[in-house]
Amino acid sequence: KQEVTQIPAALSVPEGENLVLNCSFTDSAIYNLQWFRQDPGKGLTSLLLIQSSQREQTSGRLNASLDKSSGRSTLYIAASQPGDSATYLCAVLMYSGGGADGLTFGKGTHLIIQP
Amino acid sequence: NAGVMQNPRHLVRRRGQEARLRCSPMKGHSHVYWYRQLPEEGLKFMVYLQKENIIDESGMPKERFSAEFPKEGPSILRIQQVVRGDSAAYFCASSTTPSGGILEQFFGPGTRLTVL
Repeated sequence: KQEVTQIPAALSVPEGENLVLNCSFTDSAIYNLQWFRQDPGKGLTSLLLIQSSQREQTSGRLNASLDKSSGRSTLYIAASQPGDSATYLCAVLMYSGGGADGLTFGKGTHLIIQP
Repeated sequence: NAGVMQNPRHLVRRRGQEARLRCSPMKGHSHVYWYRQLPEEGLKFMVYLQKENIIDESGMPKERFSAEFPKEGPSILRIQQVVRGDSAAYFCASSTTPSGGILEQFFGPGTRLTVL
């Protein structure tokens, strides 16, 4: 059974710092990995999707890496801003050929960027 | 192109009543997934449907919960005889059929169910 762990559970840093969020998963036979952002009481916004054959994806100040063999992914946020404050979720997708399984989510990293 | 739509956004029910949550996938998407987010817990997969078929319901509670995705109309997640422990945010996601190794799920805004 796939399990996803995110470290740290919470993080508070001053504005402008670069930071790294970590995600690990137990079964390396994933189809892809997604990073999401969730604001309080809101839905999920997809930030980056990395296919199993890829090693990283970039969007603006965000960079996500994937090391499938070791079961790890990191989300790097450059020059953090107060608007980046949110919960960041990592999720992996398994694919059994007969159809995609549901995403398995970590519990998230609650990020606060201090002005 | 409208995103995934869910309604209602907020739903209040008394214990023992029925709750019906609706999800309209993105245009062109034929795969629907339901997830539940309990307070202080992570998102958990519940069920995966294609038109008129349940593909994987391994995450659905065995009793009181059912889901459908008819040929016409939205997907429905139905909870009978709700209890306080059903209070949660329920999210729907949709996707196309995997193509070229690409499979991305797009999420709706969620329905927040409160059971009194």
